Amino acid sequence: DTAVSQTPKYLVTQMGNDKSIKCEQNLGHDTMYWYKQDSKKFLKIMFSYNNKELIINETVPNRFSPKSPDKAHLNLHINSLELGDSAVYFCASSRRQGTGELFFGEGSRLTVL
Amino acid sequence: DQQVKQNSPSLSVQEGRISILNCDYTNSMFDYFLWYKKYPAEGPTFLISISSIKDKNEDGRFTVFLNKSAKHLSLHIVPSQPGDSAVYFCAASYFGEGAQKLVFGQGTRLTINP
Repeated sequence: DTAVSQTPKYLVTQMGNDKSIKCEQNLGHDTMYWYKQDSKKFLKIMFSYNNKELIINETVPNRFSPKSPDKAHLNLHINSLELGDSAVYFCASSRRQGTGELFFGEGSRLTVL
Repeated sequence: DQQVKQNSPSLSVQEGRISILNCDYTNSMFDYFLWYKKYPAEGPTFLISISSIKDKNEDGRFTVFLNKSAKHLSLHIVPSQPGDSAVYFCAASYFGEGAQKLVFGQGTRLTINP
């Protein structure tokens, strides 16, 4: 009965390929996020959607395109993968305005060779 | 430009003793501060938070202290248990651009030794 689930959990691919990561939440939250945890272990926000509307885009290259078909889903598509895209990507959800309590998925580890 | 910093990458504490994790921030506009706990191969999970208008919040074995003048917060765990071994992330939150924004520190790995 997972609250925030993302797939796949592991992804290994070649430079230049295109890949997608899917995320779904069953908490009834209005807001969903993508965070990236890089090699230095920092968790940094990439995107946020509220009710299918993009509200935060933190200077992420336009090779990254989020898509929210409905408020329970937020997918991340990455074009022309580069070595520097290797990271763990976390999906999260929350109420629109609150204390900042986010519910995270388990993460998707992307390795670009 | 790290707005939230955890200067200790790791901390080792004996079971039953107190664990103190520290965090510093630079921006006065944060309205909440939070601690998240992360086990390997899992996502971070919320642990405890504190409003910027308070200086202490307690929840069972976990207490968070906020010193606004020093822009410093700390998480106390007492008594420490082996299951507390994890990476702890400090985070600061504010509402802006229509969304709740979180800025994370880089984490402190806590190891509780039996």
